[in-house]
Amino acid sequence: QKEVEQNSGPLSVPEGAIASLNCTYSDRGSQSFFWYRQYSGKSPELIMFIYSNGDKEDGRFTAQLNKASQYVSLLIRDSQPSDSATYLCAVNLVTGGGNKLTFGTGTQLKVEL
Amino acid sequence: DAGVTQSPTHLIKTRGQQVTLRCSPKSGHDTVSWYQQALGQGPQFIFQYYEEEERQRGNFPDRFSGHQFPNYSSELNVNALLLGDSALYLCASSLGRGARSPLHFGNGTRLTVT
Repeated sequence: QKEVEQNSGPLSVPEGAIASLNCTYSDRGSQSFFWYRQYSGKSPELIMFIYSNGDKEDGRFTAQLNKASQYVSLLIRDSQPSDSATYLCAVNLVTGGGNKLTFGTGTQLKVEL
Repeated sequence: DAGVTQSPTHLIKTRGQQVTLRCSPKSGHDTVSWYQQALGQGPQFIFQYYEEEERQRGNFPDRFSGHQFPNYSSELNVNALLLGDSALYLCASSLGRGARSPLHFGNGTRLTVT
């Protein structure tokens, strides 16, 4: 079982629709969860992070966390063509005095006109 | 406010050679982490530096080594390059190493080994 799993996609949604991106993780000790957006040939850009169960909203983005189900999601409302990118889910496990992010392989999102 | 800067942006090396990549963290950040991202994959953790010491290491061989300087900047060194080392190398900085310290990535160094 992979530590962080995402559907690779592509996920296609029409402009103006809600895009729903999902991620599951295997380590129950995971403490924080991050979503990064990565355009082709570019580096990951932090979109949102969440630590507590429930929803966290920031503009058009909402992150949802369910630790019991080991599930985290990202909703993008009013999707725009500029949202077309790969979305990386990352999980932070703090051990031994350091921390590291474990990433999924990413979900490719395509927003169509 | 300068973000994370990496140099060089692109690099072509031959198998067996050695390479050094450099990173300056975002202003105010004191922790630097390095990641390797192969095409079509998520970034893989190499190691993390804090207070000039390697604090945590991922599943990478000893050919990968690093250093952090007193000004928090960092270097990644790779010896005896293999074709499989071709990847995007990402530096990320954060303030501290806690679970609630988001990583901010630089633009990366694209390494090609021929």
